[in-house]
Amino acid sequence: DTAVSQTPKYLVTQMGNDKSIKCEQNLGHDTMYWYKQDSKKFLKIMFSYNNKELIINETVPNRFSPKSPDKAHLNLHINSLELGDSAVYFCASSLRGWLAGKHNEQFFGPGTRLTVL
Amino acid sequence: KNEVEQSPQNLTAQEGEFITINCSYSVGISALHWLQQHPGGGIVSLFMLSSGKKKHGRLIATINIQEKHSSLHITASHPRDSAVYICAVSGEYGNKLVFGAGTILRVKS
Repeated sequence: DTAVSQTPKYLVTQMGNDKSIKCEQNLGHDTMYWYKQDSKKFLKIMFSYNNKELIINETVPNRFSPKSPDKAHLNLHINSLELGDSAVYFCASSLRGWLAGKHNEQFFGPGTRLTVL
Repeated sequence: KNEVEQSPQNLTAQEGEFITINCSYSVGISALHWLQQHPGGGIVSLFMLSSGKKKHGRLIATINIQEKHSSLHITASHPRDSAVYICAVSGEYGNKLVFGAGTILRVKS
């Protein structure tokens, strides 16, 4: 059983389209994250949710909207895709976030490679 | 300048060699993470530490909080250790991870 799963694994789309990436974790974790890895392999946090509540929102364009229907799912919806959105997007989860006063190991999904043409 | 700096950027070693990857950071942290990203792209957490030293198999991670420095050591390296090793820090006031640029390790047989 995959601990953190993402779909799709690959996504190729045209500029201007709207697309979603789904993430699910079956670890019973409270906190989930979205990271972006650019063409130089540099990782950067985009969002973090703790128990369906947004706790980190980095300077990400409004075209990116995370949605957490329950604490096991954190989906990423992207409107009006641009060439610069091409990257690998990683979802991750940890047992509990900072709100519990303790940091925990993060478990990563396999990544979604998004290519915008 | 990035808050988390890794060195070297690239490292080629012969099988069996002892390998060290360094990480320096410039911000207050509550924990430091070492991650491994294989050529297939998946990311695995190797260590999370806030003081001292941790060991798992042939991997050893150390951290010096005063010097804001951590090292990842691989003993008796093997071609299957070839991967990108990424250092990341958790800030003092949140769960946000800030990442280094990664070290590309290639171990030749």
